Amino acid sequence: GAGVSQTPSNKVTEKGKYVELRCDPISGHTALYWYRQSLGQGPEFLIYFQGTGAADDSGLPNDRFFAVRPEGSVSTLKIQRTERGDSAVYLCASSLSLGGPSSYNEQFFGPGTRLTVL
Amino acid sequence: KQEVTQIPAALSVPEGENLVLNCSFTDSAIYNLQWFRQDPGKGLTSLLLIQSSQREQTSGRLNASLDKSSGRSTLYIAASQPGDSATYLCAVAHAGKSTFGDGTTLTVKP
Repeated sequence: GAGVSQTPSNKVTEKGKYVELRCDPISGHTALYWYRQSLGQGPEFLIYFQGTGAADDSGLPNDRFFAVRPEGSVSTLKIQRTERGDSAVYLCASSLSLGGPSSYNEQFFGPGTRLTVL
Repeated sequence: KQEVTQIPAALSVPEGENLVLNCSFTDSAIYNLQWFRQDPGKGLTSLLLIQSSQREQTSGRLNASLDKSSGRSTLYIAASQPGDSATYLCAVAHAGKSTFGDGTTLTVKP
């Protein structure tokens, strides 16, 4: 089946603008995760969803960042008043669930959205 | 706060060598540990996942071990090939929140 997909693959915006990044998880996966990755570093946790609800949003850097998953499938990461420091690759992952057999927790990643704020 | 360290940051080996990548973490209260591979400009590919109650997992030429009490994991790659060249990342999870190391960049020379 299809893997995790993310759109757009690249986004260039100007400082102060609003952007939305979309993630389509693997069909049937109930858990969805957002990370961001800067060059030469490992991914940094932002938020994860179990179903429609944000189970842990402790990684969101400030209130300019918000994520939704209204129907428990597609998720959108929203960034208001973008700043140059927001430039990074934003990665989305999904897993079958959280808890249960180990295979259910394995995270599968999308290709990422490269965000550049000028 | 969980911290994950991967040493070395970079490693270069000749083709055919066996090698070990290291991952250490500060908080042993983890749910699982996952090893990933990342090619330049690409997303992450899952290699192996070890639940906290497990000691090791194997897939083909890869073997990952976990010693939760000492906060360490290793990824063993047997008979390395040029196609194994990539950055290898480990991530420890507590519930749904994963903490990643910064990776080890492996170069396998033909």
